Amino acid sequence: AQKVTQAQTEISVVEKEDVTLDCVYETRDTTYYLFWYKQPPSGELVFLIRRNSFDEQNEISGRYSWNFQKSTSSFNFTITASQVVDSAVYFCALSEAVGSAGTASKLTFGTGTRLQVTL
Amino acid sequence: DAGVTQSPTHLIKTRGQQVTLRCSPKSGHDTVSWYQQALGQGPQFIFQYYEEEERQRGNFPDRFSGHQFPNYSSELNVNALLLGDSALYLCASSPGLAGVKAYEQYFGPGTRLTVT
Repeated sequence: AQKVTQAQTEISVVEKEDVTLDCVYETRDTTYYLFWYKQPPSGELVFLIRRNSFDEQNEISGRYSWNFQKSTSSFNFTITASQVVDSAVYFCALSEAVGSAGTASKLTFGTGTRLQVTL
Repeated sequence: DAGVTQSPTHLIKTRGQQVTLRCSPKSGHDTVSWYQQALGQGPQFIFQYYEEEERQRGNFPDRFSGHQFPNYSSELNVNALLLGDSALYLCASSPGLAGVKAYEQYFGPGTRLTVT
């Protein structure tokens, strides 16, 4: 069975601080995908990044960066110079490569980390 | 390019009633997945529809059923509502059998269901 753990329930930072959101996963699959989604108060899940299990290169996108370490089953997310607009709940998710019908496989989500950025 | 749309936005029902939620996928997508998100929790997978058939199912009782129409839109039906069914119901669409793009799932804004 797949499992995603986000141990940090809530994090509060002051604007311009850097913040790292932790994600640890469990799976028996050798091929899988990892995701991060952002959920603002409106409720819609916004896709941030996907990483497949064969690509351990770190990725940077603007103020966002992701650190994938297969050896520790972790996929951490860092926001540099945080802004108030970054306030949201962030979810880490895991899926098999594809579902049995060749379609997108179901996502297994963590419980989320609520990030509050204040002035 | 319209994204995933869901209706209604909010819904209040009484225990024992039945409810139908609707989802229209993103343009070009033919696969629809439904998720239930209880307050303070991560979304839980309910089921997925492709080619008008249920392809994958999560750990939800038979009270939860669905349908996909020829235009790829989908409905989620919940019978005999319980208080515990109160949640945000999210619909996600993806491009189906599109090779490496099959992993892409785009979410709608959700329907917030309250059962009293």
